[in-house]
Amino acid sequence: GENVEQHPSTLSVQEGDSAVIKCTYSDSASNYFPWYKQELGKRPQLIIDIRSNVGEKKDQRIAVTLNKTAKHFSLHITETQPEDSAVYFCAAIFGNEKLTFGTGTRLTIIP
Amino acid sequence: DGGITQSPKYLFRKEGQNVTLSCEQNLNHDAMYWYRQDPGQGLRLIYYSQIVNDFQKGDIAEGYSVSREKKESFPLTVTSAQKNPTAFYLCASTSGDTDTQYFGPGTRLTVL
Repeated sequence: GENVEQHPSTLSVQEGDSAVIKCTYSDSASNYFPWYKQELGKRPQLIIDIRSNVGEKKDQRIAVTLNKTAKHFSLHITETQPEDSAVYFCAAIFGNEKLTFGTGTRLTIIP
Repeated sequence: DGGITQSPKYLFRKEGQNVTLSCEQNLNHDAMYWYRQDPGQGLRLIYYSQIVNDFQKGDIAEGYSVSREKKESFPLTVTSAQKNPTAFYLCASTSGDTDTQYFGPGTRLTVL
């Protein structure tokens, strides 16, 4: 069935270091992979997305990589700052246009 | 996502009551979605609608109902059949041109 696995569930990094969150998906036909950031009590906010016709996309300190063969994609945050602390969700779209979300990663930036 | 509104922000329900959560969007999006989020958990799909007057069950539809009479509106009713409704409810919408999904601010429902 449709499944997205996300690891790790929690991640702590020193301010200024990099953070990497990984997701795998089950359906090789998936073609859209967004990442959302959710602060406590707030709505998820789209921070970056990637489509299956590209392997990498960058936006300032944030990048996403996609390996279609292995069916996994990763979020990379460089030069982390305290405001990066939040829960991050990956997602993948499946054939019926539903987004299926990973279980989330709680990222804590240690000052 | 500023074009999606949800009301109320907080809602309290007594056991045995039905309550309706509002979701409105002015983005001219075709598809709309309802998710449930429990504390420290991910997003689970309740119902979705890709076009007016049509909707499909998501992964956890039992105890919920929806309607889609207008493109802009997708209300969710939490019925008394939903035994554990206390959660954060998020509405979202998607443009037909892209797959980008935008979320409303959410409604926090508490059963007293």
